[in-house]
Amino acid sequence: LAKTTQPISMDSYEGQEVNITCSHNNIATNDYITWYQQFPSQGPRFIIQGYKTKVTNEVASLFIPADRKSSTLSLPRVSLSDTAVYYCLVGDFYTNAGKSTFGDGTTLTVKP
Amino acid sequence: NAGVTQTPKFQVLKTGQSMTLQCAQDMNHEYMSWYRQDPGMGLRLIHYSVGAGITDQGEVPNGYNVSRSTTEDFPLRLLSAAPSQTSVYFCASSYSVGTYEQYFGPGTRLTVT
Repeated sequence: LAKTTQPISMDSYEGQEVNITCSHNNIATNDYITWYQQFPSQGPRFIIQGYKTKVTNEVASLFIPADRKSSTLSLPRVSLSDTAVYYCLVGDFYTNAGKSTFGDGTTLTVKP
Repeated sequence: NAGVTQTPKFQVLKTGQSMTLQCAQDMNHEYMSWYRQDPGMGLRLIHYSVGAGITDQGEVPNGYNVSRSTTEDFPLRLLSAAPSQTSVYFCASSYSVGTYEQYFGPGTRLTVT
């Protein structure tokens, strides 16, 4: 899997938009970008996945520039319940199923 | 659907003991995997399976065995527990190999003394 770099931690306030950026300079042509969320004492939960440009679902948006060397997870109007660790994964799961590594993630703390 | 279930939730072992962590899914998913998560760190892949009868090693397989006799079940065996295996273990499944959208179980917190 491509090596990813994320900020270790971020703080925000309720109602703000939060953007978490992930760098993946060695992304390969067939790689997808996937984000997970993990609350304390729980397993990770899939948030969003994309290949290029922009993907949006009911929870978040994922922005991927043309060179695909980075991506940004955008959480609109966060609440206290969005406090969690967010992981960025990059890879082609067809050929790299045995190399799925989550990295250390970004700890997001939302304050009232 | 119950999703992915894991038993037990907590376990304490003495060094050298063996045990099996159970994982089951009722979503008819092809792909299943086991991860370990040490305190303050991300998840590392131990073993995975792309279908019944097929298993392979992940990033940190030493000290663990798996088997996949049915689509639903994917047990993880600790052969001879060591303190370095103290961790939280997560089982996950996905519809197929070709997706990163994995569904995770609640985890098993294992302490080896």
